[in-house]
Amino acid sequence: NAGVTQTPKFQVLKTGQSMTLQCAQDMNHEYMSWYRQDPGMGLRLIHYSVGAGITDQGEVPNGYNVSRSTTEDFPLRLLSAAPSQTSVYFCASSPSGGRGGEQYFGPGTRLTVT
Amino acid sequence: AQTVTQSQPEMSVQEAETVTLSCTYDTSENNYYLFWYKQPPSRQMILVIRQEAYKQQNATENRFSVNFQKAAKSFSLKISDSQLGDTAMYFCACGNSGGSNYKLTFGKGTLLTVNP
Repeated sequence: NAGVTQTPKFQVLKTGQSMTLQCAQDMNHEYMSWYRQDPGMGLRLIHYSVGAGITDQGEVPNGYNVSRSTTEDFPLRLLSAAPSQTSVYFCASSPSGGRGGEQYFGPGTRLTVT
Repeated sequence: AQTVTQSQPEMSVQEAETVTLSCTYDTSENNYYLFWYKQPPSRQMILVIRQEAYKQQNATENRFSVNFQKAAKSFSLKISDSQLGDTAMYFCACGNSGGSNYKLTFGKGTLLTVNP
């Protein structure tokens, strides 16, 4: 049981490049979310999904795209990277109906945009 | 909308002593949960303790306990017998217990350093 996995762990992009951050969970959780963590800002919600085929925007969605074709996977796409997207990105999952929002986090991806 | 405020950006404590981290929150929900997450230098987010808002009894997990004051919307974390391994960033978070339990609102964090 791997829990929540994220790849890559580190990434450097040039401004304007695109890339996809991968997230997968093997706990059959319905809910999955993407957060970004910036110094002094805590974690902020980017996008979330309540199940396969259903996604919605969080607090800071601009510049990011998501899709959820399976229960297990929830990739985050940066369409045209900007230096403001330099951050640490966390994927999280949680089961529906239980334990009131306790989320299981992946190890994070540190992204630098130059 | 929910807000979570941690007013102490940094704190330090001597090993074996007790420290309390503060958190206040605001939510319009009647049913919600509160959490403290720990983030050590490894970057992994680790759940420390959770509190259901409908329960009056304060949650405890070994050396970690909370002081939940619902009317004051306060949710502080007490760490007893502090250990060097407790050195980490601590985040307070609030989540709904209804259909929105996939969204958490986090505070900005408190960096705790335990000194030998």
